[in-house]
Amino acid sequence: DADVTQTPRNRITKTGKRIMLECSQTKGHDRMYWYRQDPGLGLRLIYYSFDVKDINKGEISDGYSVSRQAQAKFSLSLESAIPNQTALYFCAVRTSNMNTEAFFGQGTRLTVV
Amino acid sequence: AQSVSQHNHHVILSEAASLELGCNYSYGGTVNLFWYVQYPGQHLQLLLKYFSGDPLVKGIKGFEAEFIKSKFSFNLRKPSVQWSDTAEYFCAVNSNFGNEKLTFGTGTRLTIIP
Repeated sequence: DADVTQTPRNRITKTGKRIMLECSQTKGHDRMYWYRQDPGLGLRLIYYSFDVKDINKGEISDGYSVSRQAQAKFSLSLESAIPNQTALYFCAVRTSNMNTEAFFGQGTRLTVV
Repeated sequence: AQSVSQHNHHVILSEAASLELGCNYSYGGTVNLFWYVQYPGQHLQLLLKYFSGDPLVKGIKGFEAEFIKSKFSFNLRKPSVQWSDTAEYFCAVNSNFGNEKLTFGTGTRLTIIP
């Protein structure tokens, strides 16, 4: 089983629809992150969370919201999807020790039409 | 804010050629540095990391990177590439200044010609 699981893996949705991407982990790490990947732009941070009560905006949070339902679950929502939110989305987890790497999920490919 | 620059956007090499991918970061304090690899259709996997100590770090699959603090660089190297190294490579940094955010470069796409 994967340590970091993202659902769905692929999704096509229409402009204006609400959509939720989910991330769950079995590693027990307290730091969780949502990134989006676009060709030529690398990975950009949307939101991150240090624990259930600590949510922080990343560099491109507009148009997105998140929920940390439990230590192991961190969901990303697009309240009203728009075409420029078409991207590959990755969830990542890490321990509170900065001297450790992040572990990534398999990614969710989202297409907004 | 911390930032990472990868100047090589797309590199094409023949098998057995030597590889060096550049990475420069902006923050002058204590940093942790990473190289991740993304094979086609897959998620990011860690190649190697630097936290402290020997500035020459070795990772998986024959890759290594050298941390040069005076140049704010962490370049990735491999003496002899293989076709299976075709992938996208990302340099990343985190620091206390960056509030533990892991900041990525824009990536370098590496294509190895058999």
